Amino acid sequence: DTGVSQNPRHKITKRGQNVTFRCDPISEHNRLYWYRQTLGQGPEFLTYFQNEAQLEKSRLLSDRFSAERPKGSFSTLEIQRTEQGDSAMYLCASSLEISSTRVTGELFFGEGSRLTVL
Amino acid sequence: DAKTTQPTSMDCAEGRAANLPCNHSTISGNEYVYWYRQIHSQGPQYIIHGLKNNETNEMASLIITEDRKSSTLILPHATLRDTAVYYCIVSGFGNEKLTFGTGTRLTIIP
Repeated sequence: DTGVSQNPRHKITKRGQNVTFRCDPISEHNRLYWYRQTLGQGPEFLTYFQNEAQLEKSRLLSDRFSAERPKGSFSTLEIQRTEQGDSAMYLCASSLEISSTRVTGELFFGEGSRLTVL
Repeated sequence: DAKTTQPTSMDCAEGRAANLPCNHSTISGNEYVYWYRQIHSQGPQYIIHGLKNNETNEMASLIITEDRKSSTLILPHATLRDTAVYYCIVSGFGNEKLTFGTGTRLTIIP
């Protein structure tokens, strides 16, 4: 399978615990995105990386959230001291920027990691 | 990015063409129209995008009005597997930070 892979697919945790999600993008893709989706809503942008550089973060990404992409390949999203409001589907996507003037226009999404905070 | 307006839900008979409208009256000259869909419990899937010309690929056709204030996604022969939430998104060139709304829930009726 050469698509975007996310792990774990499901995570149940108690309030106050830390959780980490991993995303493995399509291998040649240099951009990687994290989105969050709650029930009945469309995905909301959290952050994105160009190679290993984190270029933009949403105001939704509080201090308890941190994302890394250390070698420009896989990425992790960590949530510290989880709260019940963090319960959501966390989606990862990747894309290929060919040049500064040419992008593919297409994001490839993984199947998401569903977080339930009790 | 410009805001989009879509109907909350639509039904379409299996085998017929599904026409999904989208209004984006505040679109600016350098903004593209993207369509994605999300089948239940899966991540969103890219369908098509365009700037001002009509576009067609193996999945769908995108018709953009001349003034670019609205567009229609056409699934030419809808199947039950096309049941999904369809998102119309307007975004600047090279800006792949997409702003999803709540989309149109399309149900294909057997």
